[in-house]
This record gives sequence, structure tokens and C-alpha cells, in this order.
Amino acid sequence: AQRVTQPEKLLSVFKGAPVELKCNYSYSGSPELFWYVQYSRQRLQLLLRHISRESIKGFTADLNKGETSFHLKKPFAQEEDSAMYYCALSPSGTYKYIFGTGTRLKVLA
Amino acid sequence: GAGVSQSPSNKVTEKGKDVELRCDPISGHTALYWYRQSLGQGLEFLIYFQGNSAPDKSGLPSDRFSAERTGGSVSTLTIQRTQQEDSAVYLCASSLEKSRLAGFFGPGTRLTVL
Repeated sequence: AQRVTQPEKLLSVFKGAPVELKCNYSYSGSPELFWYVQYSRQRLQLLLRHISRESIKGFTADLNKGETSFHLKKPFAQEEDSAMYYCALSPSGTYKYIFGTGTRLKVLA
Repeated sequence: GAGVSQSPSNKVTEKGKDVELRCDPISGHTALYWYRQSLGQGLEFLIYFQGNSAPDKSGLPSDRFSAERTGGSVSTLTIQRTQQEDSAVYLCASSLEKSRLAGFFGPGTRLTVL
């Protein structure tokens, strides 16, 4: 079955500390993976996608097919990074997107 | 409009009543998605439109749920005989490219069934 697992409901880190939001997926083919973010009182928005290999707001995510993971990382967390983060998988060539349950990141001053 | 809009923003209804949720996508976006977010759950895919056609309706939770899209633009999600388990935030998103869900989500409609 296709599934996205985000094991942490809540992650608290201090400002300036590194942060890693975990995402593991279950899919037998070649997936496309994404991270979405929802800041307080704002809409859900795309943060980054693995095919772009981009860094957005200092965040990066590397697809590890061996470990079926797509963890989101940032070396130095900022208070404005506090938000809800969702990992999503799209089976190749389809319109379906499968979301994880999300991780709430709190960056403490 | 500047972005995806949804109405109403909040809807409280009594069990057994019908509700209609509306989504206005970004002009020119051919792909439109409906998702549902229940408390403590991830986003659950409901239905996808390419133009006015919905190639896959299997995400709809039951036959009480239906959706349509007219003129390749506005979409309406209808829930008949609402149940308490239908309470959730219903999100709409649109995309320019076929089958690609970009970052253009609406603000959602919070449905509460009493």
C-alpha cells in the first residue's frame, strides 16, 4: 500500500539548532516527493519537491530510495520556521497525492 | 482572483442536512483537487478534476459525497445527509498543469456537523 509516515507529531528545537523532520514512504515504484508547509493562519503551500533539488528558506530534502525516506533538514532553525509540515508522495504519472499526518515544528527562542 | 477561494469559510450544520461547498480556482487552472483534513489526520484525497471531468472518484468516502465542476472553473462539493464524521476542513487546490498539484491551496471550509 502507498503510505507516507511522519513519525513525529511535534518537534521542538531551539533557535539556531539543526532541525530534521522525518518522512518515510511506502511505494514500490519511483515516487515524486514533496514537502508542504502551513504557517499559522495561512494556507497550505508547497515548500519544495525532490525533483527540483532546491533549497527553499534554507530547507533541503534528499530522497533516499534505499531507506525510502525524504527527511526535511535545516542547519539553523529560525523562529519563523514554526509551522505545520506535511510530506507528500505522488506515484509517478498520477494525479494522486498521498499526505502524511504532519509534524508541528516549534522553534523556541 | 489572486488565489484559490472557497466558500463558506465555516459551516455548521445539523446531522442529516445537505451542504454545498464551493471552490473558485485560479483563472486558467485546468486541474482542481478536493482534499479533506480531519482532526489529527493527514490530508485525504477526495477527487480530482481535469477540466470538467473527474477521472477518478474513488476517493469520495461514500455515495453521500458528490462533486461537479462547470465551465472548467468553479467546483462544488456536495455532502448529502451529513454525519458527524463528516466534520473536517475541506481544502481545494488548483493547478495549471495537468496532474500536478502545486502550491495553490484555498483557505478551506471548516465543516462542523452537530
